[in-house]
Amino acid sequence: DSGVTQTPKHLITATGQRVTLRCSPRSGDLSVYWYQQSLDQGLQFLIQYYNGEERAKGNILERFSAQQFPDLHSELNLSSLELGDSALYFCASSTGVAVSYEQYFGPGTRLTVT
Amino acid sequence: AQKITQTQPGMFVQEKEAVTLDCTYDTSDPSYGLFWYKQPSSGEMIFLIYQGSYDQQNATEGRYSLNFQKARKSANLVISASQLGDSAMYFCAMRERGQAGTALIFGKGTTLSVSS
Repeated sequence: DSGVTQTPKHLITATGQRVTLRCSPRSGDLSVYWYQQSLDQGLQFLIQYYNGEERAKGNILERFSAQQFPDLHSELNLSSLELGDSALYFCASSTGVAVSYEQYFGPGTRLTVT
Repeated sequence: AQKITQTQPGMFVQEKEAVTLDCTYDTSDPSYGLFWYKQPSSGEMIFLIYQGSYDQQNATEGRYSLNFQKARKSANLVISASQLGDSAMYFCAMRERGQAGTALIFGKGTTLSVSS
C-alpha cells in the first residue's frame, strides 16, 4: 500500500459526459502528479500541483482540468469525454520536487468511455 | 526524440535465474534521477529502485540492482533469483532537475514473464 488513495476505482460513462477523479496524497506529501496510461500513448504526465499551486503541465487536453485543495487532496476533471479518453488514470505524490524524491502511485482509476 | 527507450517488449526467464531489463535515456541536464517501477497485472505502479546522476555507486534494493553506465546513458535493471511474482510490466523513468515540476518521463515498458 503506497499510502496514496484514489476514488473511484472504476468508472464507466458515456461520450460527452463529465467525470471527476479524486486523489489523496500520502500524509505529508505536498506534490501531486496526474498521469494517464493508455495502450497507444503509454504513461503520460498530465499535470502537477505543489502545495495548492499548479507547477507543471504535460500533455493535458484543454477538456481536462485539475486542482489541489487546502487539505492537499486533488481532483482531475475530465469533460466532453471521448472514446479515446478511456485509460487508467494515476495520481502520484512525493514529498518534494527534487529529482531524488520517488513518486508513490495510487491504485489508479480505470475510466471506460462508451 | 524518445527520452527513455526500452527496447525489449518482452523478456522470458526461468525461476531463480537473473534477468537484465534494458533502459537507455537521453538528457542534457547534468542533474537527473532514474527510476524503475513494476506494474503487475493488477495495475498498481510499485517503485523499485532509484539512481541519481551524481551517485558513484550502483543502486541496490534487495534482489534489484541498477547497472548505471553514465557515459552510455544506460540504466539497466538487474533482477537476481527471479520469482514467479516478478512477472509484470517494468517501466524505466527519468526526472530532470531543469524540467519544471520534475514529472516522471516513462519508457514504453518491458513485460517480464517468469516460468517455473
